[in-house]
Amino acid sequence: AQKITQTQPGMFVQEKEAVTLDCTYDTSDPSYGLFWYKQPSSGEMIFLIYQGSYDQQNATEGRYSLNFQKARKSANLVISASQLGDSAMYFCAMRDDWSSARQLTFGSGTQLTVLP
Amino acid sequence: DGGITQSPKYLFRKEGQNVTLSCEQNLNHDAMYWYRQDPGQGLRLIYYSQIVNDFQKGDIAEGYSVSREKKESFPLTVTSAQKNPTAFYLCASSIGQGNTEAFFGQGTRLTVV
Repeated sequence: AQKITQTQPGMFVQEKEAVTLDCTYDTSDPSYGLFWYKQPSSGEMIFLIYQGSYDQQNATEGRYSLNFQKARKSANLVISASQLGDSAMYFCAMRDDWSSARQLTFGSGTQLTVLP
Repeated sequence: DGGITQSPKYLFRKEGQNVTLSCEQNLNHDAMYWYRQDPGQGLRLIYYSQIVNDFQKGDIAEGYSVSREKKESFPLTVTSAQKNPTAFYLCASSIGQGNTEAFFGQGTRLTVV
């Protein structure tokens, strides 16, 4: 069974600084995908970044980068130059590529607050 | 614009009543999913469907039912058998293959009164 662990219920960061949100995962499957989503207070889930288990390089998308350490089973999200609009709940998720359902398994989330 | 539309945004239900949440997508995605989110928690899978006229139970299917008569639509019924239905419900869709993300609707907040 897959499991995603996010150990930081809440994080604070000063505007314009970088912040790292932690995510560890557990799976016995060799092929999987890791995702980060942002959930503002309005409720919708916004896709941020994806990392495949066989990708050699860490994924980057604008101010978002994923620090993927396969041996440690971690997939931390790094947000550079934080903005007030980054304040939201952030979820790490995983999908097993071998599963017929291909559903996402989510962590419990980290509430990020950006301070002016 | 392509996307997923959930309605209504807010829903109130009396105990003992069934209620149906709507989810429509125009992304031409094969796979659709229903998730439940409780305060301070992540999303848990209720039901999923990978093709029309077929659907499978997720981790917390008890007290819920779905149908998939059209590719675009995947309604969720919360039945009176669901003991704690008050929650935030999110519908998602994906292509169903390859390394692609799931797209989510805006969610429906259901409250039992």
